[in-house]
Amino acid sequence: DTGVSQDPRHKITKRGQNVTFRCDPISEHNRLYWYRQTLGQGPEFLTYFQNEAQLEKSRLLSDRFSAERPKGSFSTLEIQRTEQGDSAMYLCASSLARGHDEQYFGPGTRLTVT
Amino acid sequence: EDKVVQSPLSLVVHEGDTVTLNCSYEVTNFRSLLWYKQEKKAPTFLFMLTSSGIEKKSGRLSSILDKKELFSILNITATQTGDSAVYLCGPYNQGAQKLVFGQGTRLTINP
Repeated sequence: DTGVSQDPRHKITKRGQNVTFRCDPISEHNRLYWYRQTLGQGPEFLTYFQNEAQLEKSRLLSDRFSAERPKGSFSTLEIQRTEQGDSAMYLCASSLARGHDEQYFGPGTRLTVT
Repeated sequence: EDKVVQSPLSLVVHEGDTVTLNCSYEVTNFRSLLWYKQEKKAPTFLFMLTSSGIEKKSGRLSSILDKKELFSILNITATQTGDSAVYLCGPYNQGAQKLVFGQGTRLTINP
């Protein structure tokens, strides 16, 4: 399968713990996006990378959230000191390059904070 | 603040019916509008629309964009139970380089 992959698919954690998710984009795509989706809502943009540079961050991304894409390939999203309100599906998407608006989504990581 | 409103939020029809899903938007630096289908997991890409009045078709699905009135519609003819999903509309804000999604329309097709 050469699509976007995410790991883990499900994560249950206790409030206050740190969690890290990984996203592997489609190999020739140099743009990578993170979205968060809660039940009954559409995905909400969190941040995006062009190669290894993080170019845009939503105000939804509090200082407990950090994302990296160190070599311009896979990306990680870390949430520190998780709260119950962080429970959501975290979706990663990739697109070919600037000017290519079509984004292709991974299966998501479902986070449950207890 | 960017805004996307989809209607209806929920729709239940019988197999074989035709449905029309609506998306209205107010997005700064608009460039294109994308439609996605979301079943239990990841949204899957359906269409990208950039020009007004030009219908895009894929099988029983078609979509059109009106950039003057700021809306798009997605039509599905001869619906099948496999069309049951949430349909998401996402205008692209080229200033922030992001898709802005609506709440989605949950479509249920009963046999």
